[in-house]
Amino acid sequence: AQSVAQPEDQVNVAEGNPLTVKCTYSVSGNPYLFWYVQYPNRGLQFLLKYITGDNLVKGSYGFEAEFNKSQTSFHLKKPSALVSDSALYFCAVRDITGFQKLVFGTGTRLLVSP
Amino acid sequence: DAGVTQSPTHLIKTRGQHVTLRCSPISGHKSVSWYQQVLGQGPQFIFQYYEKEERGRGNFPDRFSARQFPNYSSELNVNALLLGDSALYLCASSSGDTTNTGELFFGEGSRLTVL
Repeated sequence: AQSVAQPEDQVNVAEGNPLTVKCTYSVSGNPYLFWYVQYPNRGLQFLLKYITGDNLVKGSYGFEAEFNKSQTSFHLKKPSALVSDSALYFCAVRDITGFQKLVFGTGTRLLVSP
Repeated sequence: DAGVTQSPTHLIKTRGQHVTLRCSPISGHKSVSWYQQVLGQGPQFIFQYYEKEERGRGNFPDRFSARQFPNYSSELNVNALLLGDSALYLCASSSGDTTNTGELFFGEGSRLTVL
């Protein structure tokens, strides 16, 4: 079965520093990978996706993610963190059963301090 | 353009009651999916509907049911509520056709509290 793992419950970073939120995946076949962000008491907002092609994917709000097939990872990155980036981040993979089901990780809370 | 809209935003029920949650997808989207997000966890897939047909069902008991209407809006019904059903219920829409690579657009959710 398709799955993703987010090994860190929380990531702390100072404003202006680079940030990385980690995700590893386990899939059969080629992975369709996604990152979503959730602000308090809100729904999920799409950040970016990897389907095929360039291993470095650029998304919304200055975020990017690097797909690494050999390490089965899809880490989310941003060169310079903002306090407003503080939120809950979810990595997800598309299920292979043919319909559009996403399997989500447990989430990583990002806290950016001023 | 309006995004995915869900109602109600918050509701409180007691054990054994029934609840109906509603969702309107983005205009032009024909697929609606429902997810349950328990506090501290990632969203879990419940159902997907496309063109009024159920396309997928997650590992949830038969107390959970859903349907999609001709205008592509959807309802999620939960019978005989249990305390463990307390969660944020998220609706997501997508075009649903084969050109779609799986990106979902989520509503703000309906927060259900069961007492």
